[in-house]
Amino acid sequence: DAKTTQPPSMDCAEGRAANLPCNHSTISGNEYVYWYRQIHSQGPQYIIHGLKNNETNEMASLIITEDRKSSTLILPHATLRDTAVYYCIVYTGTASKLTFGTGTRLQVTL
Amino acid sequence: DADVTQTPRNRITKTGKRIMLECSQTKGHDRMYWYRQDPGLGLRLIYYSFDVKDINKGEISDGYSVSRQAQAKFSLSLESAIPNQTALYFCATQGLEPPNEQFFGPGTRLTVL
Repeated sequence: DAKTTQPPSMDCAEGRAANLPCNHSTISGNEYVYWYRQIHSQGPQYIIHGLKNNETNEMASLIITEDRKSSTLILPHATLRDTAVYYCIVYTGTASKLTFGTGTRLQVTL
Repeated sequence: DADVTQTPRNRITKTGKRIMLECSQTKGHDRMYWYRQDPGLGLRLIYYSFDVKDINKGEISDGYSVSRQAQAKFSLSLESAIPNQTALYFCATQGLEPPNEQFFGPGTRLTVL
């Protein structure tokens, strides 16, 4: 599975957009970009995934660069409940298992 | 009711004891996983199972064993617990329909004294 690089921590003011970057320069053509988050010590929770097109769901938006070497997860209006560790993972979706890095710790503040 | 449950939620044990952590799911998924998480680190895969007859080692399987008793149940055993197995343990399931996400249980906090 391709390796990902994320900043260890970020801050965001409540109500503002949180933009979490991820580099995955060795991503293969059949690998998707998945995002999960882990709130405190709970089990990780799936947020969104994409292959090459930008994606949006009720939780977030995912912007993938044209060369697919990086992506950005956008939480459009961050709330205190979005404080969590966010993991960017690349994998094929079915053929292999998830490999978690250390993620980005997002702190949303008043 | 939760789709993925883990028992116990917390356990304190002593070095050398045999411990079993249990995972049950009601999602009807064939694929199940066991991960451990150490403080400040991401999750690491211990074992995974793609169906009842298929068990595979993950990146840190030494000192652990698993049993897939049924589609819905996947147990993790520590045959002789040691202090560096103190960690948070998560079970997860995965379906084969897009988006193929993994669903995680609430975790078991294990302390080995």
